[in-house]
Formats: sequence, structure tokens, C-alpha cells
Amino acid sequence: AQSVTQPDIHITVSEGASLELRCNYSYGATPYLFWYVQSPGQGLQLLLKYFSGDTLVQGIKGFEAEFKRSQSSFNLRKPSVHWSDAAEYFCAVGFTDKLIFGTGTRLQVFP
Amino acid sequence: EAGVTQFPSHSVIEKGQTVTLRCDPISGHDNLYWYRRVMGKEIKFLLHFVKESKQDESGMPNNRFLAERTGGTYSTLKVQPAELEDSGVYFCASSQVPGATNEKLFFGSGTQLSVL
Repeated sequence: AQSVTQPDIHITVSEGASLELRCNYSYGATPYLFWYVQSPGQGLQLLLKYFSGDTLVQGIKGFEAEFKRSQSSFNLRKPSVHWSDAAEYFCAVGFTDKLIFGTGTRLQVFP
Repeated sequence: EAGVTQFPSHSVIEKGQTVTLRCDPISGHDNLYWYRRVMGKEIKFLLHFVKESKQDESGMPNNRFLAERTGGTYSTLKVQPAELEDSGVYFCASSQVPGATNEKLFFGSGTQLSVL
């Protein structure tokens, strides 16, 4: 069955530090992969997606993610975190006409 | 252009009561989705409308949940009677086109439902 695992429930980083949020998926075919972010009081916003081609994808707000088929991973990275990045991040895989999400990682940023 | 609107933003009800959540999609979006996140768990798909028709309702938990989209515009999700395990955040999303590759899927900010 299709599933997405985000092993880190909560991550705390200092502003300016680098960030990596982990995501592993289970899917039988070539996956369509997404990262969404939810800031307080806001809806889910698409950060980036991978469908095919270059395995390193760039997104909005300076985020990038790398698809590694051999590891079934799609980790999200940012070289330097800003206080406004504090939010909850969701990895998802597209399946038929729906999204299958992970449990989310809450990011806290200290000044 | 207005985004996906959901209301109420918060609802607190007692077990056994009825609650109706509403979602107004972006104008012109035929596809409307409901998702739910129970605290600490993943966001789970509930159902998908194409216009007023239910395309996929495989994620609906049980028959206490009733979703409608009369006229193919806004949608309501009614829970009757509500149980404690129904507590969570209910998200609505809409898009012009369906599909797993859809990057033009817009989410509302959700309704936080608390059943006491």
C-alpha cells in the first residue's frame, strides 16, 4: 500500500542554520512527490514537486528537495533557515486523484 | 481572486450533536476535495467531487459523515451524530483539473473540530 513516512515529528533549528526534513515513501511505480507547508492560520501551500527528470527540484522560499529512488526518499532542504519558516511541513505522494500525506514535521526556529 | 474558504474556522460541540462544515472552492474549480487530519496523524483523503458528483468517496470513515455539493459550487460536510474520534482539522481543496500530478491544488485553512 502507498504510504509516506516523516520520521521527525518536531525539529528545532537556529535562524541561519541549515535544514533537512526527511521523507520516505512506499509506492509501487514512479511516484509523484510533493512538499507542502502550513503556516499558522493558513492553508496548505505547495513548496515544490517532483514528477520526473532532474532529481533535484527547486521550490519556493529557497527550498529544494532531492528524489532518491534507491532510498525511497524525498528530503526537503534549505541552506539557511529564516524565522518565517517556522511552520508544519508535509510530504505527500500523488496516487490516482488524491494525495497521501505523511504525519508532518513541525519546525521551530530560534533567533 | 479569492482562495478556498472554509467556515467555521473552529467548532466545539458535544458528543452526539450535529455539525456542518462548509467549503467554498475557488470559482470555476470543478474538483473539490475533503481531507481530515486527526491530531498527531497524517492528513487523510475523505472524498472528491467533480462538480456535484462524488467521484471518489473511499476515504469517508462511516455513514455518520455526509458530504454534499449541490449545484456544483460550495460543499458541506455534515457529521451526525459526532463522536469523540471525529475531532481534528478538516481541510478542503479545489482545482480546475484532477489527478495525482496536480500542482494547482489549492487548500483552505481548515476547520478545527473539537468534539467533547
